[in-house]
Amino acid sequence: DAKTTQPTSMDCAEGRAANLPCNHSTISGNEYVYWYRQIHSQGPQYIIHGLKNNETNEMASLIITEDRKSSTLILPHATLRDTAVYYCIVRAAGGTSYGKLTFGQGTILTVHP
Amino acid sequence: EAQVTQNPRYLITVTGKKLTVTCSQNMNHEYMSWYRQDPGLGLRQIYYSMNVEVTDKGDVPEGYKVSRKEKRNFPLILESPSPNQTSLYFCASSSLLRTGDEAFFGQGTRLTVV
Repeated sequence: DAKTTQPTSMDCAEGRAANLPCNHSTISGNEYVYWYRQIHSQGPQYIIHGLKNNETNEMASLIITEDRKSSTLILPHATLRDTAVYYCIVRAAGGTSYGKLTFGQGTILTVHP
Repeated sequence: EAQVTQNPRYLITVTGKKLTVTCSQNMNHEYMSWYRQDPGLGLRQIYYSMNVEVTDKGDVPEGYKVSRKEKRNFPLILESPSPNQTSLYFCASSSLLRTGDEAFFGQGTRLTVV
């Protein structure tokens, strides 16, 4: 699986958009970009994923660059409950390694009042 | 409600005393796996299973065993726990049939081996 690079930490004011970047320059054509978050020591929670098109769901938006070498997770109106570690993961679309998620260190997002 | 259930949530045990952490999912997922999480090392995969009776080692399998006799259950067995297995453990499941499907994680089991 491709390696990802994320900033160690970021801050955001409550009510503002949080934009979390991720570099995955070695991503291959059949690999998806997934985002998970972990609040305190709870189990990681799925947020969103995409292949090449931008995606939006009730939690967030995912913007993937045209060359697919980087992406940005957008939380449109961050709340205090969005304070968490956010993981950007590149995952194979098939094969024996499909189910595996390779977690990096993630980005610690702190939302301030 | 779709969920992955782990038990127990907290466990303190002594070195060498065999223990089992259970994991059950209600989504009929083929793929199940165990991760451990340690400060500075992140989440690392211990073992995984792609279906009933099919298991394989992840990145850090030493000291652990697993079994997959039924599709919904994937217990993690520590035959002779040691202090270096003190960690936070997560079970996860996902479908292998739908490309791009999400993985669901359990609430975690915090294990302390003294």
